[in-house]
Amino acid sequence: EVQLVESGGGLVQPGRSLRLSCAASGFTFDDYAMHWVRQAPGKGLEWVSSISWNSGRINYADSVKGRFTISRDNAKNSLYLQMNSLSAEDTALYFCAKESAYCGGDCYSAFDVWGQGRMVTVSS
Amino acid sequence: DIQMTQSPSSLSASVGDKVTITCQASQHISNYLNWYHQEPGKAPKLLIYDASNLETGVPSRFTGSGSGTDFTFTISSLQPEDVATYYCQQYANLPLTFGGGTKVEIK
Repeated sequence: EVQLVESGGGLVQPGRSLRLSCAASGFTFDDYAMHWVRQAPGKGLEWVSSISWNSGRINYADSVKGRFTISRDNAKNSLYLQMNSLSAEDTALYFCAKESAYCGGDCYSAFDVWGQGRMVTVSS
Repeated sequence: DIQMTQSPSSLSASVGDKVTITCQASQHISNYLNWYHQEPGKAPKLLIYDASNLETGVPSRFTGSGSGTDFTFTISSLQPEDVATYYCQQYANLPLTFGGGTKVEIK
């Protein structure tokens, strides 16, 4: 079964850091680009960051650029999101998502498998 | 950034009704448009990719059409399990952007 399981997250004070992890299984991880998408409470979906299969292409939303770092370890079938200088505006449910099978490793198109999400709450 | 405008923001329809949602892009995106639904408390699920292609395993009552700036998503016969929020998403340009969502309820 194709599966993504996020971990990390929780409650953190403004200005502090947090790291999310996403463990992938059931597919050849290094065949696909991977993504982070977030959803603030009661709000819609917001793309956060994407990384190609070999980490050669990395992109961020302007709202997180310079503060968040996406990375992956293909040997461990894992995706990461290091989040620094967190603010209340970063409070959201964070999903990791797999690039569509129709696109693959070096392009960003659709998200065909999603994790269950991990809540990050930034509050003093 | 490409803005995606969905309408309506919510709708209520009866079981068996045909439901239509529209999504308009602020600039031409060819057919680089996907549709998802998100049931309450769950992760989003891909339904339609490239504007009109049905994702594997998705019921055929879901269809998508359009190209350029104007897109339509249709549920041909609304079922109770279709209660969800529906989102369009473009991938013509970065940043990848989503529409604001359409909440579908049963009347």
